[in-house]
Amino acid sequence: EAQVTQNPRYLITVTGKKLTVTCSQNMNHEYMSWYRQDPGLGLRQIYYSMNVEVTDKGDVPEGYKVSRKEKRNFPLILESPSPNQTSLYFCASSRQGAIFTEAFFGQGTRLTVV
Amino acid sequence: AQKVTQAQTEISVVEKEDVTLDCVYETRDTTYYLFWYKQPPSGELVFLIRRNSFDEQNEISGRYSWNFQKSTSSFNFTITASQVVDSAVYFCALSLHSGGSNYKLTFGKGTLLTVNP
Repeated sequence: EAQVTQNPRYLITVTGKKLTVTCSQNMNHEYMSWYRQDPGLGLRQIYYSMNVEVTDKGDVPEGYKVSRKEKRNFPLILESPSPNQTSLYFCASSRQGAIFTEAFFGQGTRLTVV
Repeated sequence: AQKVTQAQTEISVVEKEDVTLDCVYETRDTTYYLFWYKQPPSGELVFLIRRNSFDEQNEISGRYSWNFQKSTSSFNFTITASQVVDSAVYFCALSLHSGGSNYKLTFGKGTLLTVNP
């Protein structure tokens, strides 16, 4: 079954404690990205990756890092989380970039930073 | 800059009513794609439809229909004979086909649809 898998689904952490949210896709997609969803703001792109070792900033990259060492994985790293990073996070993958195909989304990770 | 506006923050209807969700977009590009996604209470994002800027034909899929009008930069979504299971947040999104552009979906802020029995 084609899918994007995020882990964990829910996470409560404390300010400053480094964390990683994993994202893995089994569709051999070149393009992957991370979004955060906040009430009243919709979804905003954090980072994206066109292929292995190719990543770039989206609209709200501050406080986040990513890496793309393998095609299937695109982890989101919060080196020093802060309460304003409390949000619902989505990972997405697409065959050629969102402009050509639908984006497949993970089930979301609800992060709370206290 | 590209922008998607969903002016309706919340809509509440009674089951079996028809409901239209509005979406207005802004872009200077001539080639782009428009999307609708559904987010049920469980939180996942479900793809509903994609339409490219050169295809202005309306589309119907069961109780769902979409009206794309380039003249008004709108891509509205109608649910006919709504059901309780249609209750969700619906997002309209825009993606550009432009060399050198960041490949991303620009989302509207979403419309919360509540269908009451």
